[in-house]
Amino acid sequence: QSVLTQPPSVSAAPGQKVTISCSGSSSTIGNNYVSWYQQLPGTAPKLLIYDNNERPSRIPDRFSASKSGTSATLAITGLQTGDEADYYCETWDSSLSALVFGGGTKLTVL
Amino acid sequence: EVQLVQSGAEVKKPGASLKISCKGSGYSFTSYWIGWVRQRPGKGLEWMGVIYPGDSDTRYSPSFQGQVTMSADKSTSTAYLQWSSLKASDTAMYYCARRASYGPRGFFDYWGQGALVTVSS
Repeated sequence: QSVLTQPPSVSAAPGQKVTISCSGSSSTIGNNYVSWYQQLPGTAPKLLIYDNNERPSRIPDRFSASKSGTSATLAITGLQTGDEADYYCETWDSSLSALVFGGGTKLTVL
Repeated sequence: EVQLVQSGAEVKKPGASLKISCKGSGYSFTSYWIGWVRQRPGKGLEWMGVIYPGDSDTRYSPSFQGQVTMSADKSTSTAYLQWSSLKASDTAMYYCARRASYGPRGFFDYWGQGALVTVSS
């Protein structure tokens, strides 16, 4: 059981917008930076977002993220079938002095 | 181009030892942390620990402390993850990934392709 809580699955139609939440605490998200990773089926994870809301240059602006209090949210607009993947949030846990991942969310594009 | 290339799939019996590798290229290997992440079949990502090849400073997740050993060879730009006595529960995909800093601010920006370890009698 992860200290970061994500919904197990979300779904939306092509072209629509979807959001994925990541809920933590003051010792995790509340006082630390959040990263997001995309894992396409059968492949290694890939960095999508770092420092709460920054995108690497190779990531399209359809992907964005925000943080408020002890929760973070990843948003994907203009959904494509190629976005079907597992998405993970990650942050630092100040009480454990350790990195932690969320449990992951499977995105289905209907 | 930054690359992390991991060793191939392994099939081992319970109780066997194993060392898998992660070779970095395209960047200063001694200036970034290398992290290890476990993914059991059908499950999520679990952080195992990190090592700083520059001085071999190693930090383990409490869940993996004493279960595995991380090391690095600066001369070959290669990081290693090893087990002294494998268990069936170690069956998983293991990823290495690069991290600029360890602590409250940091992220894994490049990942290896993964190494599948299967432990079965």
